[in-house]
Amino acid sequence: GQNIDQPTEMTATEGAIVQINCTYQTSGFNGLFWYQQHAGEAPTFLSYNVLDGLEEKGRFSSFLSRSKGYSYLLLKELQMKDSASYLCAVYTGTASKLTFGTGTRLQVTL
Amino acid sequence: GAVVSQHPSWVICKSGTSVKIECRSLDFQATTMFWYRQFPKQSLMLMATSNEGSKATYEQGVEKDKFLINHASLTLSTLTVTSAHPEDSSFYICSATDDYEQYFGPGTRLTVT
Repeated sequence: GQNIDQPTEMTATEGAIVQINCTYQTSGFNGLFWYQQHAGEAPTFLSYNVLDGLEEKGRFSSFLSRSKGYSYLLLKELQMKDSASYLCAVYTGTASKLTFGTGTRLQVTL
Repeated sequence: GAVVSQHPSWVICKSGTSVKIECRSLDFQATTMFWYRQFPKQSLMLMATSNEGSKATYEQGVEKDKFLINHASLTLSTLTVTSAHPEDSSFYICSATDDYEQYFGPGTRLTVT
């Protein structure tokens, strides 16, 4: 079966750095996506990792270790608008399907 | 970037009636479309995978006779919730892909009274 775990909730202060972890055990692996989702809206693409290492994109970075089945999303210089749910999703390569993790609700406070 | 639309954005219906939700890829041809359901404070759960001109593939536990999916063209897929019940109230999201990246629609909020 597929198992993708994330912390349920996190709280961080505006201007700080937060790391959201994702561990996965899946029957196949062809890459890992991170999405941001505000309440009542569709997910929006943040990053895609297929090889080990760190991918940096502005304030957001994503890391992948395939041997450990582990990824994290790093958010720097947090802003209030970053309060949202963050979803990691594994692309197993089967029929283009994505399997989503449990999602992490991030609350940014003053 | 690729744009996917959904219609309607929200709908309220009475128990026992049917509701149709449309998903369109506006600026690309989608080889595959996906339908997800999301309950409050939960993650996205894949309901079915839809390919143009063929029958949808449903995930385990999803009733294919209740959630009818039609994928008539490379830019349009529809989900019909038949004989809706209050427990079907949820946020339904579609996505479309022409390769590996999925582009999500804005979602449809269904409330069954």
